[in-house]
Amino acid sequence: EDQVTQSPEALRLQEGESSSLNCSYTVSGLRGLFWYRQDPGKGPEFLFTLYSAGEEKEKERLKATLTKKESFLHITAPKPEDSATYLCAVPRGSGAGSYQLTFGKGTKLSVIP
Amino acid sequence: DVKVTQSSRYLVKRTGEKVFLECVQDMDHENMFWYRQDPGLGLRLIYFSYDVKMKEKGDIPEGYSVSREKKERFSLILESASTNQTSMYLCASKIGGASTDTQYFGPGTRLTVL
Repeated sequence: EDQVTQSPEALRLQEGESSSLNCSYTVSGLRGLFWYRQDPGKGPEFLFTLYSAGEEKEKERLKATLTKKESFLHITAPKPEDSATYLCAVPRGSGAGSYQLTFGKGTKLSVIP
Repeated sequence: DVKVTQSSRYLVKRTGEKVFLECVQDMDHENMFWYRQDPGLGLRLIYFSYDVKMKEKGDIPEGYSVSREKKERFSLILESASTNQTSMYLCASKIGGASTDTQYFGPGTRLTVL
């Protein structure tokens, strides 16, 4: 069974203090990995798709990387507005109909001014 | 921009009521999904549809049904609402059947069943 584990569950950072969030997965054949951001009471907002090991994507203060076993979301010099829950997800399914996503439980990031 | 809308942001219903949650996407996406999200349990897939009138069970379909009569609209139905169905419900859509097609989410419906 495909599994996605995110760590830590919660992370408090001072503004400007860089850190990384981890997403480890066990899947039978990686078909990509997604990162989302979710603000309280809202739907997840798409950030990145990583297609294969070694790939990196950047957006503002965020950089996502992918290896064969895990992905990292690096946050450089975070600001309070980066506070959110960050979710990662991997596709699963046979493809006969469609691929669904298995989500991790998320890392709740709080950035303190 | 992809737009996924859900009929209500907040909904309060009584136990035993029939509840309809509606989701509409405006980007001609083939696939649509319904999830529920609960603290400590994360996002769990209830049902999905990869074509009009097609539906597939997700991980937790019990107590729910769905309807997709038109491509842009995917409805989640709680036949007889129960208190354990109090949750945040999220709809998503994606363009096609490829594993790397991005799922785009609606704003969510916070359902409370009393």
